[in-house]
Amino acid sequence: QVQLVQSGAEVKKPGASVRVSCKASGYTFTEYYMHWVRQAPGQGLEWMGWINPYSGDTNYAQKFQGRVTMTRDTSIRTAYMEVRRLRSDDTAVYYCARVGVGATRVGYFDYWGQGILVTVSS
Amino acid sequence: DIVMTQSPDSLAVSLGERATISCKSSQSVLYSSNNKNYLAWYQQKPGQPLKLLIYWASTRESGVPDRFSGSGSGTDFTLTISSLQAEDVAVYYCHQYYSTPYTFGQGTKLEIK
Repeated sequence: QVQLVQSGAEVKKPGASVRVSCKASGYTFTEYYMHWVRQAPGQGLEWMGWINPYSGDTNYAQKFQGRVTMTRDTSIRTAYMEVRRLRSDDTAVYYCARVGVGATRVGYFDYWGQGILVTVSS
Repeated sequence: DIVMTQSPDSLAVSLGERATISCKSSQSVLYSSNNKNYLAWYQQKPGQPLKLLIYWASTRESGVPDRFSGSGSGTDFTLTISSLQAEDVAVYYCHQYYSTPYTFGQGTKLEIK
């Protein structure tokens, strides 16, 4: 069955960087785009961008351009997202989510990782 | 950016009764070339990731109980739970994937009356 397993919680200081991971199983990793969405405590959902695991192409929400980098390692079926210059308002649960239609960046999200809490605090 | 607005923010319904959640988009999410509405609904229970319920506005995801249904087109959408069960207590979100940045409604918290 399809699973997206994310790495553990992180605590970082303001100005630091964090890299979170999302390991996929149960399907062909390179056939489905991966998106990242975050949810600040008690807040709504914010889309951050996507990566094409086949080509490595990426697209980021304008808000995060220059501060976020999405990558992947196809040999271990894992997607990564790095957020730099962390601020307190980056404290959130970060989710990876798979597009439910193969070979397209456009679509609903049919599988989600369990989420990673990233806490930014001095 | 397409703004998604859900109503109500919270809702209390008796077990076995119908629950209805509205979602309005600031612009149409209907793609004319394929006549599909790029709108999904998700359920989120505390401490859990989102679970896909409905996509293309009205297609139920495999394994989702048939008491969940989606309707609407263009800018106005509805999620209906025909007979509320205790396990349906959750926050529900609509989501447009018509254009980036993808956006979500603010969520509707569903409780038992």
